[in-house]
Amino acid sequence: EDKVVQSPLSLVVHEGDTVTLNCSYEVTNFRSLLWYKQEKKAPTFLFMLTSSGIEKKSGRLSSILDKKELFSILNITATQTGDSAVYLCAVEPGYNFNKFYFGSGTKLNVKP
Amino acid sequence: EAQVTQNPRYLITVTGKKLTVTCSQNMNHEYMSWYRQDPGLGLRQIYYSMNVEVTDKGDVPEGYKVSRKEKRNFPLILESPSPNQTSLYFCAIGASGSGEQYFGPGTRLTVT
Repeated sequence: EDKVVQSPLSLVVHEGDTVTLNCSYEVTNFRSLLWYKQEKKAPTFLFMLTSSGIEKKSGRLSSILDKKELFSILNITATQTGDSAVYLCAVEPGYNFNKFYFGSGTKLNVKP
Repeated sequence: EAQVTQNPRYLITVTGKKLTVTCSQNMNHEYMSWYRQDPGLGLRQIYYSMNVEVTDKGDVPEGYKVSRKEKRNFPLILESPSPNQTSLYFCAIGASGSGEQYFGPGTRLTVT
C-alpha cells in the first residue's frame, strides 16, 4: 500500500531557529515527491523532487530526496513568523501519473 | 496567475440531499483533481481528470461522482451526502505531467 508519513506532527520554534521536517514514503515505482505549504487556506507549491532533481533550494528553504532510504527533508533556516504553517509532503507513483498520496502534514509554529 | 474558483465556499446541508460543488479554472490546464482534507488525515484524493471526458478514481472515491464535459470545469457531485462526508474540499489543477498543482480556496461542507 502506498503511503506517506511525516514527522514530527507539530513543532514549535523561535524566530531565527533552523528546522528540519521529515517525510518518509512507500510507493510503487516512485515518480516524484512534492512539498506544499498550507497556511489558513489552500496549499501552495514549494518544491518538486524527482530522480533527476534530488535537491532544491529557494531562499531559506531547501529540500533533498534520498531515493535509496525513501525519505525527504525540508529545511528552513532563519525561521520567521511567516513560516508558521502546515507543511505537506506528497508522493506521485510512476504507475499512475497525477495520482497523489499526501502525508498528514507537520504543523510549524514560529514564535517571535 | 493560475486561478481556481470553487463554489460554494461554505455549505451546510442534510443527509441525502444531492449537491454539487463546482470547480472552474482559467489556465487551460489538462489536469484537474478533487481532494478532501480531514484533521489528522491530510489531503486525500477523490477523483482526478487528465482531460475532457477522462476521469479516474483517487484514493477515496466512494460516495462521489465527477464529470469533465468542458476543459475548464470539473464539478464534484454528492448524490446522497452523509455525515462522514463532512470535510474541507479542495479542487486542484496542473499542467499534464508536471506534478505541481494549484489549489482552489476550498469548500467547507457540513452534512447533518
